[in-house]
Amino acid sequence: QKEVEQDPGPLSVPEGAIVSLNCTYSNSAFQYFMWYRQYSRKGPELLMYTYSSGNKEDGRFTAQVDKSSKYISLFIRDSQPSDSATYLCAMSSGGGSQGNLIFGKGTKLSVKP
Amino acid sequence: KAGVTQTPRYLIKTRGQQVTLSCSPISGHRSVSWYQQTPGQGLQFLFEYFSETQRNKGNFPGRFSGRQFSNSRSEMNVSTLELGDSALYLCASSPTGGGTDTQYFGPGTRLTVL
Repeated sequence: QKEVEQDPGPLSVPEGAIVSLNCTYSNSAFQYFMWYRQYSRKGPELLMYTYSSGNKEDGRFTAQVDKSSKYISLFIRDSQPSDSATYLCAMSSGGGSQGNLIFGKGTKLSVKP
Repeated sequence: KAGVTQTPRYLIKTRGQQVTLSCSPISGHRSVSWYQQTPGQGLQFLFEYFSETQRNKGNFPGRFSGRQFSNSRSEMNVSTLELGDSALYLCASSPTGGGTDTQYFGPGTRLTVL
């Protein structure tokens, strides 16, 4: 079993839809949870960062972490064509060095006008 | 503030050759991490450098190596290239690499091995 599992999609939704992206993980030591967005031919950019369990909201984006279920989610409200990208979840146990982030394989999202 | 820069952006090599990739972190950032991204395996951690010392290493063969200079710039080297080394190589920097730091990624170097 891989440490982080993420459905690769692709996921296609109409503009304005609510998008739900998810990852599951097996390592209970993970404490730091991130969502990155990666456009084609670009490096990943950090969207959301959450420590431990709970919800975090930033504009149209909401990140949820459920450590008891080892499950994290990213919700995108009022999705736009500009949201079309690959979304990667990442997590780390933190500690002295966060350098070794463990990534999901990414979900490719397409938002149709 | 300028972002993370990587050079070259594209590279074509043949099997058996070696290659050196360069990464300039955001000014003031002392931690530099390298990742390999392939369609099959996704993003995989290679190694992390902090203050010129390798602090963390992923599960890659010894053909993959790196170093960091006193100005925090970093290079990674791959010797005896194999077809399977074709990938996007990403560099990320953060202030200290600590648990609460945010990593900022560069655009990557796309390496093709023929």
